[in-house]
Amino acid sequence: GENVEQHPSTLSVQEGDSAVIKCTYSDSASNYFPWYKQELGKGPQLIIDIRSNVGEKKDQRIAVTLNKTAKHFSLHITETQPEDSAVYFCGGGNKLTFGTGTQLKVEL
Amino acid sequence: EPEVTQTPSHQVTQMGQEVILRCVPISNHLYFYWYRQILGQKVEFLVSFYNNEISEKSEIFDDQFSVERPDGSNFTLKIRSTKLEDSAMYFCASSSIELNTEAFFGQGTRLTVV
Repeated sequence: GENVEQHPSTLSVQEGDSAVIKCTYSDSASNYFPWYKQELGKGPQLIIDIRSNVGEKKDQRIAVTLNKTAKHFSLHITETQPEDSAVYFCGGGNKLTFGTGTQLKVEL
Repeated sequence: EPEVTQTPSHQVTQMGQEVILRCVPISNHLYFYWYRQILGQKVEFLVSFYNNEISEKSEIFDDQFSVERPDGSNFTLKIRSTKLEDSAMYFCASSSIELNTEAFFGQGTRLTVV
C-alpha cells in the first residue's frame, strides 16, 4: 500500500512569512494528492489537491507542487495569517493514506 | 452546503462493551470511509465502503470492527468489544462516485473507553 511521509512535524513562522510543508510517497501509481487542514476539535478539511498530470496548482495564498520523478509534493502558504495555524495533512493513495501531520503555528 | 454529520460527538463506554458510531454521509456520495485519530497522532485509514460492501480495509480493522449501511442514509461503525486502546477520534468521510476526489469529513466522534 501507499506510504506517505511528511515533514516537518512542527513549523513556526512569523505572520506574513511563507510556510512550506513537504511529503513523499512510495506508490508510483498514485495520481491524486490532497492537502487537508485540521483545526482544533474539527475534522480534516480539503484545502487544495493536485493530480499527477499537473505539476503545480495555486489557489490564492495556497499552492501545491508535484514532482512525480522524485515522488514528492509540497504545500506552499504565502503571506501567512494567524488563522492558518492548524495541523496540515498530506494524502495519497486510493484509500487516502495521510501523512503524519504538520503543526503550523503562525506567530504575530 | 452539504456536510457529513456524525453522532454522538462524544461517547464514553466501559471496556468490553459494544459501541456503534453513526454517520450520515453526503446524500449523493457513493464512497464512504472510517478513519481513526488517536490523540496527537495522524489520521489512520480504517475502512472504505462502496456498493454495500467493504472495498478496502486496514490492518487496524480487525474482527472486532464492522460497518453497515442499514438504510439509504446512515453508515455505521460497530466496535464489538471495546478496548482501552480504541479510545480515539473516529471520523467518517464520504466522496463522490469517482475515486481520488475530495473526501468530506464529519466532525468526528470522540470515543473514550474506560
